[in-house]
Amino acid sequence: DVKVTQSSRYLVKRTGEKVFLECVQDMDHENMFWYRQDPGLGLRLIYFSYDVKMKEKGDIPEGYSVSREKKERFSLILESASTNQTSMYLCASGLYQPQHFGDGTRLSIL
Amino acid sequence: DQQVKQNSPSLSVQEGRISILNCDYTNSMFDYFLWYKKYPAEGPTFLISISSIKDKNEDGRFTVFLNKSAKHLSLHIVPSQPGDSAVYFCAASVSNEKLTFGTGTRLTIIP
Repeated sequence: DVKVTQSSRYLVKRTGEKVFLECVQDMDHENMFWYRQDPGLGLRLIYFSYDVKMKEKGDIPEGYSVSREKKERFSLILESASTNQTSMYLCASGLYQPQHFGDGTRLSIL
Repeated sequence: DQQVKQNSPSLSVQEGRISILNCDYTNSMFDYFLWYKKYPAEGPTFLISISSIKDKNEDGRFTVFLNKSAKHLSLHIVPSQPGDSAVYFCAASVSNEKLTFGTGTRLTIIP
């Protein structure tokens, strides 16, 4: 069974902290994605990666960066967390489009 | 500017009846459309997709219809089952590149 695993289900951090969200997939997919989900806004793409060390900005990349050192792992980094980054973060992988999502990380920035 | 719109935040349907979820889009360049289903505390699950060269795609109880002239797509679930209760997102892309999601419709199936 395909798995996209996000390292934390819930995370609480403080304003100004550097935050790492980790995601691992076991399907050997080329493409990996980071989304955030907010009420009334649906899912918005933050960054995606189509190969190791390759990344592309999504619709809302400001305040975030990503790292993809290995094919199976895609990390989202909040450089200096702010309260408006409190959200549900979803990682996905797929051959082209996101086919499989992780269960999400609910991140609260205090 | 919301390019993909799901105007009904919620929908309730009797078990065994047809559920119809609607989605409208504004970007005429969109040529690939997908539906996802999301249960609470889980990530979305891909359900069904359709390319703009088709106007219908069927997979078991799920059928997606695309009306390009109206920039409208719909997901039909027949017959509806209690396990179909979830939030449904439609999404669209240009040339199979990055997806734009709608805001979701919460479907509740009443036993």
